[in-house]
Amino acid sequence: EVQLVESGGGLVQPGGSLRLSCAASGFTFSSYWMHWVRQAPGKGLVWVSRINSDGTSTSYADSVKGRFTISRDYAKKTLYLQMNSLRAEDTAVYYCARDLEGYCSGASCYSDRSYFDYWGQGTLVTVSS
Amino acid sequence: QSVLTQPPSVSGAPGQRVTISCTGSSSNIGAGYDVHWYQQLPGTAPKLLIYGNNNRPSGVPDRFSGSKSGTSASLAITGLQAEDEADYYCQSYDSSLAGVFGGGTKLTVL
Repeated sequence: EVQLVESGGGLVQPGGSLRLSCAASGFTFSSYWMHWVRQAPGKGLVWVSRINSDGTSTSYADSVKGRFTISRDYAKKTLYLQMNSLRAEDTAVYYCARDLEGYCSGASCYSDRSYFDYWGQGTLVTVSS
Repeated sequence: QSVLTQPPSVSGAPGQRVTISCTGSSSNIGAGYDVHWYQQLPGTAPKLLIYGNNNRPSGVPDRFSGSKSGTSASLAITGLQAEDEADYYCQSYDSSLAGVFGGGTKLTVL
């Protein structure tokens, strides 16, 4: 059974840092692209970041570029999101999600066919003083 | 303001058919990118409902169907049931923004 379990959320002050984790099980972690998607309280889903299957290509939403870093540990089968310089508007539930259709061709990687077939339960990040 | 536009809410009585629209532009749905749909029950994570415009993952009832035409897509739910009450989101790709979601539609079963 595919399982994605997020952890690491909590209350942090503006300007602070937090690292989210997403532990994967039930599938071959190294074969899939992975994403982070967030949802502010009472709001819709917003894509945040993605990493390809071998960890060589990453992409970020403009709103987090330069502040967030996505990475993955194959031995631990865990996806990470390092969040620095946090702002109030980063307050949200953060979901990790598995991507079936991301692909690379030559030196470029593409997520134009990506969709998310499994999601974690989410972890809440609250940025407030 | 979401790149993909959905109605904030729709409603229907049990047994009825409802549709949820997802309107994009020439840089996303109109450019030929696939549309996918997710269901989010209250207090839970999103769940994949439709992928590749009109394909259902294993376990999703055939009461749910998707379609796409031009710059828009639609999710149809027939034989509406109380358990279908949830938020529904469309998702596609935009050539300038990578993955994009609609703003979400709250379905109320009357």
